[in-house]
Amino acid sequence: NAGVTQTPKFQVLKTGQSMTLQCAQDMNHNSMYWYRQDPGMGLRLIYYSASEGTTDKGEVPNGYNVSRLNKREFSLRLESAAPSQTSVYFCATVKGSGARTEAFFGQGTRLTVV
Amino acid sequence: AQSVTQLDSHVSVSEGTPVLLRCNYSSSYSPSLFWYVQHPNKGLQLLLKYTSAATLVKGINGFEAEFKKSETSFHLTKPSAHMSDAAEYFCVVSENDYKLSFGAGTTVTVRA
Repeated sequence: NAGVTQTPKFQVLKTGQSMTLQCAQDMNHNSMYWYRQDPGMGLRLIYYSASEGTTDKGEVPNGYNVSRLNKREFSLRLESAAPSQTSVYFCATVKGSGARTEAFFGQGTRLTVV
Repeated sequence: AQSVTQLDSHVSVSEGTPVLLRCNYSSSYSPSLFWYVQHPNKGLQLLLKYTSAATLVKGINGFEAEFKKSETSFHLTKPSAHMSDAAEYFCVVSENDYKLSFGAGTTVTVRA
């Protein structure tokens, strides 16, 4: 049971290039999330999808787009990469509600923009 | 609005001594609170969570946390640190099912 799978694990881009980070979950959860992790700032929410067919902006959406392709897959696209987007990106799903809430994270994608 | 403040960016302890990681939160509602651990170059793993049941919550690997509403705190403790506890720890608050707010993280170093 893979859980949450992110690809690629590492990527180096030149400024202005585009790329898509892929995320897939086999946990049958409705909600999926993209976070970025920067030193001293914890994880900040970029976009989330509460269910298939819906997406919403988080704290730091500028420069990113997302697609909830189906219940399993939630991709994050950088149209024109900038050095400020150098970060570690995590995809997550959340199961349950209220007392049963728990988030599950992928292993992360380490992105460097030069 | 919800937010989390982790009061220490770095904690250094000797192996076998207690560990204390401090977390304060603000929330308009009765929140759910979590501690996650991240080992180097790894994803995040749930240590424990508080969801309005018992105020003292026990987690994995000997960690526990106490929810104190009057102090809006959710501090994480472990009686005896092990070398494998060296990692980054995140306190997380959630007011609803969709948004998790993370603290900035506390890096724990364990000295032999």
